[in-house]
Amino acid sequence: AQSVTQLGSHVSVSEGALVLLRCNYSSSVPPYLFWYVQYPNQGLQLLLKYTSAATLVKGINGFEAEFKKSETSFHLTKPSAHMSDAAEYFCAVSDPGNNRKLIWGLGTSLAVNP
Amino acid sequence: KAGVTQTPRYLIKTRGQQVTLSCSPISGHRSVSWYQQTPGQGLQFLFEYFSETQRNKGNFPGRFSGRQFSNSRSEMNVSTLELGDSALYLCASSAGPGADETQYFGPGTRLLVL
Repeated sequence: AQSVTQLGSHVSVSEGALVLLRCNYSSSVPPYLFWYVQYPNQGLQLLLKYTSAATLVKGINGFEAEFKKSETSFHLTKPSAHMSDAAEYFCAVSDPGNNRKLIWGLGTSLAVNP
Repeated sequence: KAGVTQTPRYLIKTRGQQVTLSCSPISGHRSVSWYQQTPGQGLQFLFEYFSETQRNKGNFPGRFSGRQFSNSRSEMNVSTLELGDSALYLCASSAGPGADETQYFGPGTRLLVL
């Protein structure tokens, strides 16, 4: 069965520093992959998605993610963190062997320090 | 297009009561998924409905049930509420299988069980 691991439940960076949030999946078949962001007291907002068209995916708010099949990874990056990036980030994978149900990571809380 | 709407936004109930939450998907979307979100547990998948039929189901007790109407609106019901049911309940809509499966989330219903 498909599983998703987000390394680091809490990540702290300084404003202007690189943001790197890690996500690894377990399936050998490249599935659909998603990154979502959740701001306090809100629902989840789609940041970006991978659909096999390109391995480097650009999303909203300056975020991007690179799909690496050999590493079964889909890490999220942003070159320069902004205070407004402080939020919870979730990685999700579509499981083709399970009616394409989305399998979710536990989330990474990003703190941005001034 | 209007986004996913959920009602009510906040709810306080006591143990043993039942509750019904409502979700209106994005116009044209035929699939609705429900999630329970609690601190430390992340997003727990409850169920997914497509064209009024339950397509996927998570590992929740039978006290949790749902349904979808012909206009794609969905409701979920929790009977005999327990303290542990206190959570943010999120609804997400998508076009459905075979189409764009990206899920778009509503703001959630925050349920507090006393």
